[in-house]
Amino acid sequence: AQSVSQHNHHVILSEAASLELGCNYSYGGTVNLFWYVQYPGQHLQLLLKYFSGDPLVKGIKGFEAEFIKSKFSFNLRKPSVQWSDTAEYFCAVRAAGNKLTFGGGTRVLVKP
Amino acid sequence: DGGITQSPKYLFRKEGQNVTLSCEQNLNHDAMYWYRQDPGQGLRLIYYSQIVNDFQKGDIAEGYSVSREKKESFPLTVTSAQKNPTAFYLCASSIPSGSYNEQFFGPGTRLTVL
Repeated sequence: AQSVSQHNHHVILSEAASLELGCNYSYGGTVNLFWYVQYPGQHLQLLLKYFSGDPLVKGIKGFEAEFIKSKFSFNLRKPSVQWSDTAEYFCAVRAAGNKLTFGGGTRVLVKP
Repeated sequence: DGGITQSPKYLFRKEGQNVTLSCEQNLNHDAMYWYRQDPGQGLRLIYYSQIVNDFQKGDIAEGYSVSREKKESFPLTVTSAQKNPTAFYLCASSIPSGSYNEQFFGPGTRLTVL
């Protein structure tokens, strides 16, 4: 069965710092990759997705992610975070069918 | 205003009681999903339905049941057989076919079993 690992459970950083969240998955075939975000008190929403083509994907709110097939990774990055980026971030993989497998999530706290 | 609604937002039940969580969508999506969210474990799939009157077990279906009598509705029943029912439950929907398969999520229901 496929699995998704997010290495950092909690990240604390200051405003203007750079953010990188790791995501690795275990599946050898074609995958679709997603990053979702859950802001405090809000719905889970899509940040960005990768289906094919350019492995560097840009999403909303200045986030981007890079798909590295050889490393089975899809790390999320933002060059300069804001207090409003405080949230929980989830990586998800769709390998076959329509089911998504989610990572355990990373809670990010940005200190003002 | 299209979207997914889940009710209630908070739900309290006594141990041994069955409880049904509501999920309604007006996005005209064919597929619907139920997830359970626990701290540090991300979202785990309970049940999903690709089409009306059809549904499949997800990774943690034991102690849960669902029905899909209407396209818009996918209620989840947490039965007394579920050993650890206290959790945050999320419903989602998507267009199942083709390569575009973003799932849209509802606001969730936090169930506490006392």
